Amino acid sequence: EIVLTQSPGTLSLSPGERATLSCRASQSVSSSYLAWYQQKPGQAPRLLIYGASSRATGIPDRFSGSGSGTDFTLTISRLEPEDFAVYYCQQYGSSPRWTFGQGTKVEIK
Amino acid sequence: QVTLKESGPVLVKPTETLTLTCTVSGFSLSNARMGVSWIRQPPGKALEWLAHIFSNDEKSYSTSLKSRLTISKDTSKSQVVLTMTNMDPVDTATYYCARQSITIFGVVIPQYYYYMDVWGKGTTVTVSS
Repeated sequence: EIVLTQSPGTLSLSPGERATLSCRASQSVSSSYLAWYQQKPGQAPRLLIYGASSRATGIPDRFSGSGSGTDFTLTISRLEPEDFAVYYCQQYGSSPRWTFGQGTKVEIK
Repeated sequence: QVTLKESGPVLVKPTETLTLTCTVSGFSLSNARMGVSWIRQPPGKALEWLAHIFSNDEKSYSTSLKSRLTISKDTSKSQVVLTMTNMDPVDTATYYCARQSITIFGVVIPQYYYYMDVWGKGTTVTVSS
């Protein structure tokens, strides 16, 4: 069973700064099957990135994804006030079909 | 417009069986490139995937909860149902259903991308006597 470990647990940054979030898999993951989601308090998660680097519809280009194998990164180039939220990585596999990381909270410094 | 809406009891007692329904609109549960998952989130905790059903009726379950879960669908009603037996207070959570989509890039060597692109707003379930 693949385990996704996200780091850091919490990232304290100011608006305008760059955020770099990490997602490490316990085994190699196909880039096609790696996605990132944003969740704000009281809301459902929202798809940001699929296929490790493809932005979902309507997602601003300040969000970018990269990586392969076991190491994946979500980068927010310049934090906007609405970007402070929790971010989850997710992978699609064989058994179990879906796995989420434990999340990274991006908070205002 | 694609939407998913969860419904079910707000409160269940320990040892009872929970039945949740996800009613979808804007797409068909028979679409070969789509499926539906259930995911839950205990208060203040991370997302946990529970179960998935594909368009061909193939089912997949969380390893740790497999013995307690059953997922099914009624394509004519556009509904996906999740049952979870022997509920416990630790099962208190917001339960989401989400559409899984497949995007295929390339013709000669197609690459398949899997992701959950539309989520319901969630339904909160409390387990308490």
